[in-house]
Amino acid sequence: DTAVSQTPKYLVTQMGNDKSIKCEQNLGHDTMYWYKQDSKKFLKIMFSYNNKELIINETVPNRFSPKSPDKAHLNLHINSLELGDSAVYFCASRPGASGGYNEQFFGPGTRLTVL
Amino acid sequence: AQSVSQHNHHVILSEAASLELGCNYSYGGTVNLFWYVQYPGQHLQLLLKYFSGDPLVKGIKGFEAEFIKSKFSFNLRKPSVQWSDTAEYFCAVNARYGGATNKLIFGTGTLLAVQP
Repeated sequence: DTAVSQTPKYLVTQMGNDKSIKCEQNLGHDTMYWYKQDSKKFLKIMFSYNNKELIINETVPNRFSPKSPDKAHLNLHINSLELGDSAVYFCASRPGASGGYNEQFFGPGTRLTVL
Repeated sequence: AQSVSQHNHHVILSEAASLELGCNYSYGGTVNLFWYVQYPGQHLQLLLKYFSGDPLVKGIKGFEAEFIKSKFSFNLRKPSVQWSDTAEYFCAVNARYGGATNKLIFGTGTLLAVQP
């Protein structure tokens, strides 16, 4: 009974391709996130959705487009992939958007390699 | 802008040695602080968290951390490490974003290698 799941776990693709990563949480949480972890293990937030509404959009190229069909899912679509997009992408969720009293629960990550 | 600094990038210890990993943050408002651990090839897991109250918080697997407000620090400690503690450790602060919304800001991580 995985709490936050991501597919695929590994993704290898050519430059210029378009790919999607899917995330699902079965915790009943309202807020979901996408993070990027680079080769130096630095984690940076990309997007956050609360009840299907975009609430955080960091400085991310518009080739990245998140989509939340419902509050249990947050997918990440990437157009025209570049070498610099190679990273591990983590999805996370937490019960609410405001207040600090809830930790985030992370998915297993998707390792994207762009050749 | 809010930031989190972890001064030790790579720590190597022998089993049974004591551990202290430094974490400092820059944020003037109310903070919630976290330590996450990432075992090799795995996702991030919460070790412990501080929201309010006793500044000494205890987490899983014998870890603890102390929040010192005057020093803007939240250092992680364990009296005696085990080989299984080998992992990457991330300090994070929960910062407000444009009002009520919160986001986590992570430090750059500390890679701990415990030698048997």
